Amino acid sequence: GESVGLHLPTLSVQEGDNSIINCAYSNSASDYFIWYKQESGKGPQFIIDIRSNMDKRQGQRVTVLLNKTVKHLSLQIAATQPGDSAVYFCAESSSGGASKIIFGSGTRLSIRP
Amino acid sequence: DTGVSQNPRHKITKRGQNVTFRCDPISEHNRLYWYRQTLGQGPEFLTYFQNEAQLEKSRLLSDRFSAERPKGSFSTLEIQRTEQGDSAMYLCASSPDRASGMKNIQYFGAGTRLSVL
Repeated sequence: GESVGLHLPTLSVQEGDNSIINCAYSNSASDYFIWYKQESGKGPQFIIDIRSNMDKRQGQRVTVLLNKTVKHLSLQIAATQPGDSAVYFCAESSSGGASKIIFGSGTRLSIRP
Repeated sequence: DTGVSQNPRHKITKRGQNVTFRCDPISEHNRLYWYRQTLGQGPEFLTYFQNEAQLEKSRLLSDRFSAERPKGSFSTLEIQRTEQGDSAMYLCASSPDRASGMKNIQYFGAGTRLSVL
């Protein structure tokens, strides 16, 4: 069945270092992938997305990499800041995001001063 | 605030009672989604609407759950005869339709946290 999973449930990073959050997915029909950030008491906040016809996409301080061969997705955050502390979810869709999104269980990112 | 708005933010109810939550999407978005999130887990899809039409329902949406979007704007999610297992965060999201030419990114509200005693 469909599933999106994360390799690590928690990640601790020194402030200023780069963070890499990994995600595996199993549905080869997925054509759209999204990373969301969720802070305590808030709803998920869109960070960046990537379609299956791409393997890399960059935003402001964030980069998403997609490896369809091994069904792997990663989120790289450059120069991690205290405000980046949150739970990060990868999610996938097989309809280009037009209907349901399937979320993984999340990785908690904590920043060491 | 032009984001997705959900009310109430918190709801405490006794088992067996009915509850109703409201979601006001971003005004130009014609797609509206409901998800449920339990502690330590990612959101799980419940249902979604395009305008007033409910296009998909998850198996998670038992017959005690009903969602409506009568005028294609705000939506309500009702849970009848609540059970303790219904305790969760109920999230609403909205997105524009592909036909609008805008990316169909789902933007989430802050959620309604339901506690069933």
